[in-house]
Amino acid sequence: AQSVAQPEDQVNVAEGNPLTVKCTYSVSGNPYLFWYVQYPNRGLQFLLKYITGDNLVKGSYGFEAEFNKSQTSFHLKKPSALVSDSALYFCAVRVSHYNQGGKLIFGQGTELSVKP
Amino acid sequence: DVKVTQSSRYLVKRTGEKVFLECVQDMDHENMFWYRQDPGLGLRLIYFSYDVKMKEKGDIPEGYSVSREKKERFSLILESASTNQTSMYLCASSPTSGGIGELFFGEGSRLTVL
Repeated sequence: AQSVAQPEDQVNVAEGNPLTVKCTYSVSGNPYLFWYVQYPNRGLQFLLKYITGDNLVKGSYGFEAEFNKSQTSFHLKKPSALVSDSALYFCAVRVSHYNQGGKLIFGQGTELSVKP
Repeated sequence: DVKVTQSSRYLVKRTGEKVFLECVQDMDHENMFWYRQDPGLGLRLIYFSYDVKMKEKGDIPEGYSVSREKKERFSLILESASTNQTSMYLCASSPTSGGIGELFFGEGSRLTVL
């Protein structure tokens, strides 16, 4: 079965420190991977995606993610966390469908808390 | 800017009521989706649609139906609301041509069933 796992329900970091939010996946074929962020009582906002090419993907708000095929991981990273980065983060993988549009399967989410 | 609009941000309904959640997108996207979000469970796909008048069941379609009469509008229907359908509902859309599955989300509709 195709799936996405985020092993940490919550990640706590101090402002200015690097942060990592973990994601592992299980899909058949080449994965299309995504990170989204959700602020309280809002919809999800797209951060970045990996389709092919360079294993380090850069996205919005200074975030980046590293694709590791051997470890089937796609961890989200930021060199220096801000208090405003505090939010709920979702990893997702695209599942192909007979229609080219496909659909996304999401992980359970990781709450990031950045303290001053 | 890309825009997905959900008609109601907050709703309170009674058990047994019929509930309509409306979603409109202005990006001419072919694909539209309804997810529900519950703490610790992430987002679970209820239904999706790849074209007008077409629909596909997602992972948790029981108790829900959908309607897509026009390309820009995708409605989620709870025929007889139950308390276990209290949740946050998220609508999303994505293009087929030129798109790689990236979804654009609405702000969400928080439904409480009493």
